[in-house]
Amino acid sequence: EAQVTQNPRYLITVTGKKLTVTCSQNMNHEYMSWYRQDPGLGLRQIYYSMNVEVTDKGDVPEGYKVSRKEKRNFPLILESPSPNQTSLYFCASSSGIYNEQFFGPGTRLTVL
Amino acid sequence: AQSVSQHNHHVILSEAASLELGCNYSYGGTVNLFWYVQYPGQHLQLLLKYFSGDPLVKGIKGFEAEFIKSKFSFNLRKPSVQWSDTAEYFCAVNADTGGFKTIFGAGTRLFVKA
Repeated sequence: EAQVTQNPRYLITVTGKKLTVTCSQNMNHEYMSWYRQDPGLGLRQIYYSMNVEVTDKGDVPEGYKVSRKEKRNFPLILESPSPNQTSLYFCASSSGIYNEQFFGPGTRLTVL
Repeated sequence: AQSVSQHNHHVILSEAASLELGCNYSYGGTVNLFWYVQYPGQHLQLLLKYFSGDPLVKGIKGFEAEFIKSKFSFNLRKPSVQWSDTAEYFCAVNADTGGFKTIFGAGTRLFVKA
């Protein structure tokens, strides 16, 4: 089954404790992206990647890192999480700029 | 900077009522436009998209949207909603600048009363 998977689905952590949210897709898509969803703000793009080793900032990249060492994986790294990063995070992949994005199930992160 | 505005944050309709959700974007160049839907407890999924050609596009589940370039708008419509259309709807824009930067609107929560 074609899908985007994220892990973990739920995470509660404390300020400053480094964490990684994994994202993997099995559709051989070149394009991948991370979003955060906050009430009243919709989805905001954090980072995107157009291919292996090619990443670029979205609208809200501060406090986040990404890497794209393999085509299927696009982990999101929070080196020193802060409470304002408490949010619902979505990973997405696409076969092209003009094509639909396929979204993962989301990761609900709480930073205390 | 690009932005996407969705005019209604919450909409409540009765079954069989007609639906129109507004979406306006700010970008003067070529854009690719999308409507996504998020049903309760489910992933976001594509409803419809516009890249070029006929400005009236049809999507899944009876939804359609019209691109009006002069108004920078891409409004979503459905002639007769069903209870199962209860969901959150997001308009999204990808500017044709060669990157994969995508801007989403804040979303509209639709509740359809049975």
